[in-house]
Amino acid sequence: QKEVEQDPGPLSVPEGAIVSLNCTYSNSAFQYFMWYRQYSRKGPELLMYTYSSGNKEDGRFTAQVDKSSKYISLFIRDSQPSDSATYLCAIWGNNRLAFGKGNQVVVIP
Amino acid sequence: NAGVTQTPKFRVLKTGQSMTLLCAQDMNHEYMYWYRQDPGMGLRLIHYSVGEGTTAKGEVPDGYNVSRLKKQNFLLGLESAAPSQTSVYFCASSYGGTGSYEQYFGPGTRLTVT
Repeated sequence: QKEVEQDPGPLSVPEGAIVSLNCTYSNSAFQYFMWYRQYSRKGPELLMYTYSSGNKEDGRFTAQVDKSSKYISLFIRDSQPSDSATYLCAIWGNNRLAFGKGNQVVVIP
Repeated sequence: NAGVTQTPKFRVLKTGQSMTLLCAQDMNHEYMYWYRQDPGMGLRLIHYSVGEGTTAKGEVPDGYNVSRLKKQNFLLGLESAAPSQTSVYFCASSYGGTGSYEQYFGPGTRLTVT
């Protein structure tokens, strides 16, 4: 079983819609939970992180962690064309990051 | 600050050729990493370093070697390139310890092995 599972299917939404992305993980020892954003032909950049169960908001972005279910989510409200990118979940543990496969999100104007 | 830079940006190799990818960071980070990214596979860790003079294997180390002779540089070597090593290679760096969840990535090197 992979450490982080993320269904890599692409997602197209109209501008203004809510984008919902999620991942599951297998090792309950992992401590930090991240979402990285990667624009086309660029390196990933950290978007949000959290280390506890619950919600964390940053503007239009909300990261949610449920440690009991080993489930992490990212919600993007009022999506904009500039949000078009690949979003990778990642978890930190054992001195390294384990990444999900990423979801390509396209926001259509 | 340039952040994390990678050289070269693109390269085409023939099977069996060798090459070295250079990563440099100007943030005084302790930890550095090499990843490869393939369609449908996500980012996979090749090797990493937790300080000058140290290296360790990641998830997919076979066919690669690394060296960290200076704190700011991390080199990735392919001794005998194979078509399976066609990929986009990313270098990253971080402060180290529990702060290492925040990694700063370079722009990537696109390598094609024919």
